[in-house]
Amino acid sequence: SQQGEEDPQALSIQEGENATMNCSYKTSINNLQWYRQNSGRGLVHLILIRSNEREKHSGRLRVTLDTSKKSSSLLITASRAADTASYFCATGGTSYDKVIFGPGTSLSVIP
Amino acid sequence: SAVISQKPSRDICQRGTSLTIQCQVDSQVTMMFWYRQQPGQSLTLIATANQGSEATYESGFVIDKFPISRPNLTFSTLTVSNMSPEDSSIYLCSVQGPLSYEQYFGPGTRLTVT
Repeated sequence: SQQGEEDPQALSIQEGENATMNCSYKTSINNLQWYRQNSGRGLVHLILIRSNEREKHSGRLRVTLDTSKKSSSLLITASRAADTASYFCATGGTSYDKVIFGPGTSLSVIP
Repeated sequence: SAVISQKPSRDICQRGTSLTIQCQVDSQVTMMFWYRQQPGQSLTLIATANQGSEATYESGFVIDKFPISRPNLTFSTLTVSNMSPEDSSIYLCSVQGPLSYEQYFGPGTRLTVT
């Protein structure tokens, strides 16, 4: 079963712009992760943020987590055409180690 | 990170038949996971496979339809039984990373049932 919702479902931006994707979830979590999937490279783990963290950076990626609102956001700065992919948030379980994925956001970066 | 391979990479099967998908990891792992990704959809967890015990299935998935084997710490198989066109999906296996809860995924098996 899926944890929650992501918005927008689809996003189209010009190269160089920033892209923001949001994720909401329903139950308490240990951590939240973001993954990228494109046809060429499969599903790749991008970043993990723990429930006691509020913000995390990795290169051009910035992730925030608001556990009071049960939501997270992924910001990709200075987007590139190669960032075109589907992005999924996923929550880690508190009981044992299974990861549940949200519905995803399809990002298109136009050169 | 773990390197995961899957066989076959894709297959076209007839209704009513079964297909066994293999997943091989380059290191020993305790837990392996099987996901299904229907066309245009997100990933749905089918089951968690621990070596030496029965797989744990998620709601909506049953062992008779998706039997799983886990004979050792580097290998698992998922069988899609008595297939119907609704089983057409990408099936992915994954393992948990050594440091935290991140997961590493195989390239997937694209199954088309006609």
